[in-house]
Amino acid sequence: DSGVTQTPKHLITATGQRVTLRCSPRSGDLSVYWYQQSLDQGLQFLIQYYNGEERAKGNILERFSAQQFPDLHSELNLSSLELGDSALYFCASSSASGRNNEQFFGPGTRLTVL
Amino acid sequence: KNQVEQSPQSLIILEGKNCTLQCNYTVSPFSNLRWYKQDTGRGPVSLTIMTFSENTKSNGRYTATLDADTKQSSLHITASQLSDSASYICVVSPSSGGSYIPTFGRGTSLIVHP
Repeated sequence: DSGVTQTPKHLITATGQRVTLRCSPRSGDLSVYWYQQSLDQGLQFLIQYYNGEERAKGNILERFSAQQFPDLHSELNLSSLELGDSALYFCASSSASGRNNEQFFGPGTRLTVL
Repeated sequence: KNQVEQSPQSLIILEGKNCTLQCNYTVSPFSNLRWYKQDTGRGPVSLTIMTFSENTKSNGRYTATLDADTKQSSLHITASQLSDSASYICVVSPSSGGSYIPTFGRGTSLIVHP
């Protein structure tokens, strides 16, 4: 158990809908990262937050947005969902924002768009 | 464009045998390289991290090597066990600028048979 929690574990929804994925980092970790993993793409970095502020942005679509709250939990919002958004979404946390800090991954949320 | 290529895509070995997984990258300048193990349906777990100046790093039966000149890394697994069946992902982080956007390989799927 990495100490990172994600909810829900599974999510099934329809095209055009909007969903929110939630992540609670390990106790004391200030950085949160979001990743998307689909069968044909591998893990893709989406976005990083550090202590409530956006720190780095990767291949995140404009239909997706995220935020980190004062209690350091984070939410990833996915809107106007398409079939291609079906994937595993992972959250990871680390103690600081530096690139050498080990990231601890949560169990993931499996999103299925029908 | 930063890329990380892993080979082979999949590998099947018998329990007790050794194996070596390869990772070639084009990320430059380079900060560090990590190997992760990802069990099916679970989040990745860090096995090793190496910086530019390190040639080898061990974690139990896992030994990672790095040749920064040729931009190649390998992960050697000794005396494989059934629990080693997983996907092994190579991740390379750049050292430029203040942002931190890692590049993930697509992973090598390892199956260990009894």
